[in-house]
Amino acid sequence: DAGVIQSPRHEVTEMGQEVTLRCKPISGHDYLFWYRQTMMRGLELLIYFNNNVPIDDSGMPEDRFSAKMPNASFSTLKIQPSEPRDSAVYFCASSFRLNTQYFGPGTRLTVL
Amino acid sequence: RKEVEQDPGPFNVPEGATVAFNCTYSNSASQSFFWYRQDCRKEPKLLMSVYSSGNEDGRFTAQLNRASQYISLLIRDSKLSDSATYLCVVNKAGNMLTFGGGTRLMVKP
Repeated sequence: DAGVIQSPRHEVTEMGQEVTLRCKPISGHDYLFWYRQTMMRGLELLIYFNNNVPIDDSGMPEDRFSAKMPNASFSTLKIQPSEPRDSAVYFCASSFRLNTQYFGPGTRLTVL
Repeated sequence: RKEVEQDPGPFNVPEGATVAFNCTYSNSASQSFFWYRQDCRKEPKLLMSVYSSGNEDGRFTAQLNRASQYISLLIRDSKLSDSATYLCVVNKAGNMLTFGGGTRLMVKP
């Protein structure tokens, strides 16, 4: 079975541009998570969904960040406008109920 | 204080050595505990869960001390392929995981 799929794998953009990261969870999983990883702050949970409904977005850094999950097989994380400090690796993960979280390969974002 | 703290290392050990990592957590209400492994420029992957009675998976042994709020991971007979960053992970509520900063292990020939 395919694992968690993320696209793009790499994104380079200029400050002020809109960035959209995409995630397809493992089929049948009912939880989806967005994480951000940086050298300074490590791996941080941004937001998570259960059955497509956002449950906790307290980790979203500010209003420039938004996430949606229109259906069970797709989610987006959008940054608008992007800033250099948003440069990081963004991981999507999914799980079935409270079981093991499986991570996607990540999107490496660089904002110039 | 961070919720989950780890020594970042790196721990440089020769092949065949035994190495141990510790991790402390601040929330006494934490319910579940895990070790994840992350290879360079890859995603984290579950290595093993940590149970109150301690548990072993091949060369890996995990232990939990709730009273002192620390978790340990012991790797015996280290292999070159064990070189990675080991993340201590705590589940405090629901399905929300809190990750430590990771401990980097480098196993040398």
